[in-house]
Amino acid sequence: DQQVKQNSPSLSVQEGRISILNCDYTNSMFDYFLWYKKYPAEGPTFLISISSIKDKNEDGRFTVFLNKSAKHLSLHIVPSQPGDSAVYFCAASAPTSGTYKYIFGTGTRLKVLA
Amino acid sequence: EAQVTQNPRYLITVTGKKLTVTCSQNMNHEYMSWYRQDPGLGLRQIYYSMNVEVTDKGDVPEGYKVSRKEKRNFPLILESPSPNQTSLYFCASSFLVGSPLHFGNGTRLTVT
Repeated sequence: DQQVKQNSPSLSVQEGRISILNCDYTNSMFDYFLWYKKYPAEGPTFLISISSIKDKNEDGRFTVFLNKSAKHLSLHIVPSQPGDSAVYFCAASAPTSGTYKYIFGTGTRLKVLA
Repeated sequence: EAQVTQNPRYLITVTGKKLTVTCSQNMNHEYMSWYRQDPGLGLRQIYYSMNVEVTDKGDVPEGYKVSRKEKRNFPLILESPSPNQTSLYFCASSFLVGSPLHFGNGTRLTVT
C-alpha cells in the first residue's frame, strides 16, 4: 500500500520556466512533509519542508504547497535551471501522532532543458 | 563538516556471506534510519532508531539487523544476504522525528 505517491515518473521543462512536481498521500495522520533532491551517485539532499499547520512554505526558488483536504502537495521551482535536473522525492511523517517513520514516494525525474 | 558517512560505497558479495555496512554521523542526532532504493519503488525504510539502544522495524526489515550501541553509529547487518537484497542503501539521521533527514552517499550492494 503506497501511502505516498508520485504519479509522474518524469518531467521535462524548459530553462527559465516553472517546474511543478506533485505528490499525493493517503494517510490523514501525516503532518510533516519534505522534499528531497537526488543526483546520481549521491544521497538525497533536503530541499524544503512544510508542516500541516501551513499551506505554503517558500525558500528562494522553491515553494511547497500543501492541500490537506485533497491530501496533495506540490513543489514549484521558479525559474527552473539546468542544475535542477535530478530525481525529486517527497516524503511524509506523523511525528505528533507517534509514528516515527518517514515514508517516501517513488520519485520524479526532472529534466530542465537549456 | 556535518555529515553522515557510510562504508563501503560499493560491495559485491555472495549469497550467505555475512556483511555489515557501517554508518556514522557527527551531528549528535537522536534519530537514525536505513533505507533501500530500488527502481520504481523509491526509498523504503528498513529500520530506524530513536536513540541509543532503541530500534524499531521499518517497512522492509526482513533479512536485516541493526544495532545502536552508541549515538553516532548505526550499522546495518545482513546475516545471510540473498540476491533480492541487491540494492542501493542509504543511512540517514535527523535531530529528531519532525526535522529533516540528512543522508549518506549510499552503498551499492550486489549479492550474487
